[in-house]
Amino acid sequence: DVKVTQSSRYLVKRTGEKVFLECVQDMDHENMFWYRQDPGLGLRLIYFSYDVKMKEKGDIPEGYSVSREKKERFSLILESASTNQTSMYLCASSSPVTGGQETQYFGPGTRLLVL
Amino acid sequence: SQQGEEDPQALSIQEGENATMNCSYKTSINNLQWYRQNSGRGLVHLILIRSNEREKHSGRLRVTLDTSKKSSSLLITASRAADTASYFCATAPGNQFYFGTGTSLTVIP
Repeated sequence: DVKVTQSSRYLVKRTGEKVFLECVQDMDHENMFWYRQDPGLGLRLIYFSYDVKMKEKGDIPEGYSVSREKKERFSLILESASTNQTSMYLCASSSPVTGGQETQYFGPGTRLLVL
Repeated sequence: SQQGEEDPQALSIQEGENATMNCSYKTSINNLQWYRQNSGRGLVHLILIRSNEREKHSGRLRVTLDTSKKSSSLLITASRAADTASYFCATAPGNQFYFGTGTSLTVIP
């Protein structure tokens, strides 16, 4: 059974802290994604990666960075957490298919609260 | 933004009734997908329809796609309380996915 795991379900951090959100997939997928989900705004793409050590900015990369040192692991980093980064963070992975028809597999999400 | 929009934002029905939700999108697509999200969880893929398809079925799910109107609909027949969730459409005009804001479905037992 395919699996995407995220390091924490719930996280509470203080403003200014450096925050690491980890995502691991066991499907040997090339593509990995980080989204944030906020009420009324849907899912917004922060960063994605098509290969190890490769990253691309999504729609809202400001205040975030990512790291992909291994194929199975994609980390989202909040260099200096701010209250407006309080959100649900979702990691996803997929495998490229000709015609761009791959399905995304999501982790359970990390609900981050920044105080 | 290339984000899709689902309609209605919220839907409440009795168990056994059918639920219909709609999705409109803005750009040309290769395919359109529907996902489901239970409260506080990640999204789960339900069904994919290609741009050259008009209708697709999977169990109690029926999806239609009208590329001329840039719209899709998801029909859940004979709904169950366990269908209570948020439903999202996702389009992939290129390599990136764009999700709508979702329809929140409540099925009352």
